[in-house]
Amino acid sequence: GDSVTQMEGPVTLSEEAFLTINCTYTATGYPSLFWYVQYPGEGLQLLLKATKADDKGSNKGFEATYRKETTSFHLEKGSVQVSDSAVYFCAPLRGPQLSFGAGTTVTVRA
Amino acid sequence: GEEVAQTPKHLVRGEGQKAKLYCAPIKGHSYVFWYQQVLKNEFKFLISFQNENVFDETGMPKERFSAKCLPNSPCSLEIQATKLEDSAVYFCASSQSFRQGGGYTFGSGTRLTVV
Repeated sequence: GDSVTQMEGPVTLSEEAFLTINCTYTATGYPSLFWYVQYPGEGLQLLLKATKADDKGSNKGFEATYRKETTSFHLEKGSVQVSDSAVYFCAPLRGPQLSFGAGTTVTVRA
Repeated sequence: GEEVAQTPKHLVRGEGQKAKLYCAPIKGHSYVFWYQQVLKNEFKFLISFQNENVFDETGMPKERFSAKCLPNSPCSLEIQATKLEDSAVYFCASSQSFRQGGGYTFGSGTRLTVV
């Protein structure tokens, strides 16, 4: 699968702070790119996706833009809430297989 | 249904015992994937199916792991003679299509503890 480098955590921040989680991938061609989120004790949920260069995925206040020139798909949210505390995974999709980054644990404090 | 159903949620086995995990994909989804999550957050791909056929098994430990997806039955992942290092959460996912843009829907996982 593709190689994914994801920002190491854990990340701890206060409510309403700005969140950025960096993700870069190495691949030939242009995979579809996904961010998944895992809340405590749960499975993975699709957060957002982008299927081609310059696409911006967005959901629940989170955004990520597919940057072909830097092979990046950084996740951002302008004002986090306590409920955003979770583990976030960057995942390129090529053919049938998702490759996961190492995951970034985010803790938001009230 | 519209969710991937994994059973059981928790499974405890003594070393050397057999473990069998089940996954019912979303109806109409042709692809099924198994992942193993160990050590913090790391996800390891195990195997994928296209309907009842193995699509990619490059991640499967050949010696003790096996998997099946038979018609009209939940998919299964079986571990013969479990070892301590098999302790992990096993996730199943299904997908309608893996063409560009197709995402996976994940189940909530089975936590296997080998003691």
